Amino acid sequence: QVQLQESGPGLVKPSQTLSLTCTVSGGSIMSGDYYWSWIRQSPEKGLEWIGYIYYTGNTYYNPSLKSRVTISIDTSSKQFFLKVNSVTVADTAIYYCATASSGSYPTFDYWGLGTLVTVSS
Amino acid sequence: SYELSQPPSVSVSPGQTASLSCSGDQLGHKYTYWYQQKPGQSPLLVMYRDNKRPSGIPERFSGSSSGNTATLTISGAQAVDEADYYCQAWDTNTAFFGGGTKLTVL
Repeated sequence: QVQLQESGPGLVKPSQTLSLTCTVSGGSIMSGDYYWSWIRQSPEKGLEWIGYIYYTGNTYYNPSLKSRVTISIDTSSKQFFLKVNSVTVADTAIYYCATASSGSYPTFDYWGLGTLVTVSS
Repeated sequence: SYELSQPPSVSVSPGQTASLSCSGDQLGHKYTYWYQQKPGQSPLLVMYRDNKRPSGIPERFSGSSSGNTATLTISGAQAVDEADYYCQAWDTNTAFFGGGTKLTVL
């Protein structure tokens, strides 16, 4: 069973870049079975899909965040990454990495425990 | 943007049937997914593609979808089922989540 672990700074200043890492274990990050995803959750916006990446490097983003978000992958280290530029307090949330089973209608099968990121000066 | 609407709360007595609804435009023509989230935990997939139950999810969970509404049904709800439930669907290659329903079993 795939296991996911988020890591990164818990506090980011406004206008700076939020950077998170998700480490994959229990499965191959090069498996064509999954898209590697980022989802966030806040009291204000609820659950919000950020985007995902395939092991080939192909990315798919939520249009509402696309201009500020970059997802990348390093298959050798079994990690994928999230960067959100120009953050504001509205980006304060619990950030989850998750698997999305590949196909036309992906299912978010496995989730990490989540990491809280607070945007504050 | 695609909107999914869920009632904020539903209450049910133990052993009774809980019906959690999720509404969206032409939702019956899309697949609906359901996630259970307990306090301090990550969401857990409990139903996918309208009515498919993942391995390990009890048979008392079932799903259906028609028209503009999808429904997650918990037959014989138990105290352990008390949680927030979120529906999710895909529209124009973007995943959208409902605002969630807090299920209280008491």
